[in-house]
Amino acid sequence: NAGVTQTPKFQVLKTGQSMTLQCAQDMNHEYMSWYRQDPGMGLRLIHYSVGAGITDQGEVPNGYNVSRSTTEDFPLRLLSAAPSQTSVYFCATNRGLRGRGYEQYFGPGTRLTVT
Amino acid sequence: AQKITQTQPGMFVQEKEAVTLDCTYDTSDQSYGLFWYKQPSSGEMIFLIYQGSYDEQNATEGRYSLNFQKARKSANLVISASQLGDSAMYFCAMRGGGSNYKLTFGKGTLLTVNP
Repeated sequence: NAGVTQTPKFQVLKTGQSMTLQCAQDMNHEYMSWYRQDPGMGLRLIHYSVGAGITDQGEVPNGYNVSRSTTEDFPLRLLSAAPSQTSVYFCATNRGLRGRGYEQYFGPGTRLTVT
Repeated sequence: AQKITQTQPGMFVQEKEAVTLDCTYDTSDQSYGLFWYKQPSSGEMIFLIYQGSYDEQNATEGRYSLNFQKARKSANLVISASQLGDSAMYFCAMRGGGSNYKLTFGKGTLLTVNP
């Protein structure tokens, strides 16, 4: 049981390049989210999904695309990378039940640098 | 809109002493939940404790307890008997009511435990 996995762990991009951050979970959780963490800012929600085929925007969606074709996978696409997207990216899942069911299970993160 | 405020950028505590990390929140939802997460220097996000807005008792998980004062909109984390391994960044977060499972995070408090 791997939980939430993210690839790659580290990535360096040049401005204007595109790439996809991968997120996969084996817990059969309905809800998946992408957050970015910048120094002094805490975590901010980029996009989220409440099930396969359903996605919605979070607090900072500009410059990012998502899709959810399966329960297990929730990739985050950077269409044209900018230095402002230099950050640590976390994928998270939860079951959406009462109490601790709302707990978010976080992946290990992807550290992205855009030069 | 929801907002989480953590007013202590950094805190110091002596090993074996108790420490309180402050968190205040703002929401118009009647049903909501409050979380605390720990992020050590290795970067992973570790769930510590959860409090639902309708929970009558303050949440406790081992050495962690949440001092929930609903009228004051505060949800402070109390760590008893601090250990060196408690040195980390601590984030307070909130989920909204209804079908909103997205988390809003505070900016975090860096706790340093001194021997």
